[in-house]
Amino acid sequence: DAGVIQSPRHEVTEMGQEVTLRCKPISGHNSLFWYRQTMMRGLELLIYFNNNVPIDDSGMPEDRFSAKMPNASFSTLKIQPSEPRDSAVYFCASSFPGAGELFFGEGSRLTVL
Amino acid sequence: GQQLNQSPQSMFIQEGEDVSMNCTSSSIFNTWLWYKQDPGEGPVLLIALYKAGELTSNGRLTAQFGITRKDSFLNISASIPSDVGIYFCAGQSTGNQFYFGTGTSLTVIP
Repeated sequence: DAGVIQSPRHEVTEMGQEVTLRCKPISGHNSLFWYRQTMMRGLELLIYFNNNVPIDDSGMPEDRFSAKMPNASFSTLKIQPSEPRDSAVYFCASSFPGAGELFFGEGSRLTVL
Repeated sequence: GQQLNQSPQSMFIQEGEDVSMNCTSSSIFNTWLWYKQDPGEGPVLLIALYKAGELTSNGRLTAQFGITRKDSFLNISASIPSDVGIYFCAGQSTGNQFYFGTGTSLTVIP
């Protein structure tokens, strides 16, 4: 079974540009999480979805960030406009509620110049 | 968001030595998880613990779910060079949220 699939693996963009990160969760998992990892702050939860519905987006830094999950097999995290301080590794993870196990993708490394 | 207190922050050990790291929280968790992250990769799940007092092994790795449900430890026996990486603990709350420790960076000296 394929794991959590994220794209792109690397993205370099200029300040002010729109960035879209994509995630395909593990088939059958109906909870999806977006995390951001930096050296200073570690792993931060940005938002999570249950059954495609956003449950907690309190970790989303500001209005420049938005996330959608139009169906059970796809989610996007969008940053518009991007800023240098958004540079980080963004991870998507999925789980089956009640299973107590969370599986991560390989991450999308974002660099904003 | 909540972060767990994980210690030590880093460890430098000789190959063959045993390693121990732990996590504590002010909150009770239903599940404790331990992950390993290699450079440029996502965290990989090593061990999951579901009951207070539970002791679980996975090869040279052993982890325990604390009786108070507020702590957990991970032991690695007879370390080898490929054990190098960053180890994270995570706790799952009743609200299906996962909270992560700050990580333990492990260096194994051959």
